[in-house]
Amino acid sequence: GAVVSQHPSWVICKSGTSVKIECRSLDFQATTMFWYRQFPKQSLMLMATSNEGSKATYEQGVEKDKFLINHASLTLSTLTVTSAHPEDSSFYICSVKEQGFLNTEAFFGQGTRLTVV
Amino acid sequence: LAKTTQPISMDSYEGQEVNITCSHNNIATNDYITWYQQFPSQGPRFIIQGYKTKVTNEVASLFIPADRKSSTLSLPRVSLSDTAVYYCLVGEGLSSGDKLTFGTGTRLAVRP
Repeated sequence: GAVVSQHPSWVICKSGTSVKIECRSLDFQATTMFWYRQFPKQSLMLMATSNEGSKATYEQGVEKDKFLINHASLTLSTLTVTSAHPEDSSFYICSVKEQGFLNTEAFFGQGTRLTVV
Repeated sequence: LAKTTQPISMDSYEGQEVNITCSHNNIATNDYITWYQQFPSQGPRFIIQGYKTKVTNEVASLFIPADRKSSTLSLPRVSLSDTAVYYCLVGEGLSSGDKLTFGTGTRLAVRP
């Protein structure tokens, strides 16, 4: 299956600064990537769908000006958390979908733990 | 996407078989059933996918009754390393652009 790599694995930043998280599809050209956020003991919440060469589609309640997504190539999508605040501290995960044996299968990055202090 | 309902948590002991059932009463004709496993501080990992009857791979089995309104993930002879959260997802997902929506998942704790 597709190999998805995120960088960094963890980051600590000061409140008010911006943080960029990279998601790379290492062996698969992904026209679409997905960004999730997960708080402790909770499920994954879809934030946005990243489309190569066009604007991302954000889920209801997710501020597009705060969570900037850029999908400039078929193998790279970036999520920038702008003016981060402690409540943005979370586990951010990206994924791609690839055609599997029966249906499409989703492959996830290892996640990025963001801590805003 | 069909809504899914799973037990919030389950406990088991090493060597036992674990069955996690997921209800999806509103499953559509074109929907597939997919299970993912997530360890702490890691992204989810695909376990198994099925449409009807039974599917088995090297990791698990998936049982789907004829009405497809539920499915059961079966983990044979669990070990401590199977402690994780297991998510049941139902959706068409035929297009790579179709998004996945995660439910609450089942937190499985395997004890020695």
